[in-house]
Amino acid sequence: DTAVSQTPKYLVTQMGNDKSIKCEQNLGHDTMYWYKQDSKKFLKIMFSYNNKELIINETVPNRFSPKSPDKAHLNLHINSLELGDSAVYFCASSQGPPTGPWGYTFGSGTRLTVV
Amino acid sequence: GIQVEQSPPDLILQEGANSTLRCNFSDSVNNLQWFHQNPWGQLINLFYIPSGTKQNGRLSATTVATERYSLLYISSSQTTDSGVYFCAVVGGADGLTFGKGTHLIIQP
Repeated sequence: DTAVSQTPKYLVTQMGNDKSIKCEQNLGHDTMYWYKQDSKKFLKIMFSYNNKELIINETVPNRFSPKSPDKAHLNLHINSLELGDSAVYFCASSQGPPTGPWGYTFGSGTRLTVV
Repeated sequence: GIQVEQSPPDLILQEGANSTLRCNFSDSVNNLQWFHQNPWGQLINLFYIPSGTKQNGRLSATTVATERYSLLYISSSQTTDSGVYFCAVVGGADGLTFGKGTHLIIQP
């Protein structure tokens, strides 16, 4: 039973399209995250939600909009996709707020390719 | 924000060799994790180790929080150990911050 699951695993789409990536965790954690891994393998935080409240909102284009319908789900919607959005997007969760003394659990990633 | 530096950036070893990967961080932390990203892209949590020493099979890790570094030891390397090893820390308001990783290749 997967702890943090993301769908889809792969997404190939054309420039200008709008797409969503879904994430669900069954760990009972309060906080969820989106990370982006670029072509050089660097992982950077994009957003964090704690109990459905946005608490980390890094400098990303406003074409990216996270939504958390409940604390077990965090989706990422991307409008007007650009070539530079191609990357692997990871969802993660943690027991409590981002700065606390607990580990983060990551999903298996969604590889987004914009053509 | 907190800076995380990993060394070496690349490492090529023969099967059976031992290795030590290092992670230096620029400020005090209350969370430090080591991850292995396998060739299929999965991020696997190896250790949650903000301080002290832990062991799991052929892998062990030590964090000396007062001196702001952590070490990951891999003994008797196997080809399945290949991949990228990331150190990540929480030391401020930014959440888990990753280093750039050590790319490890184990040759048969």
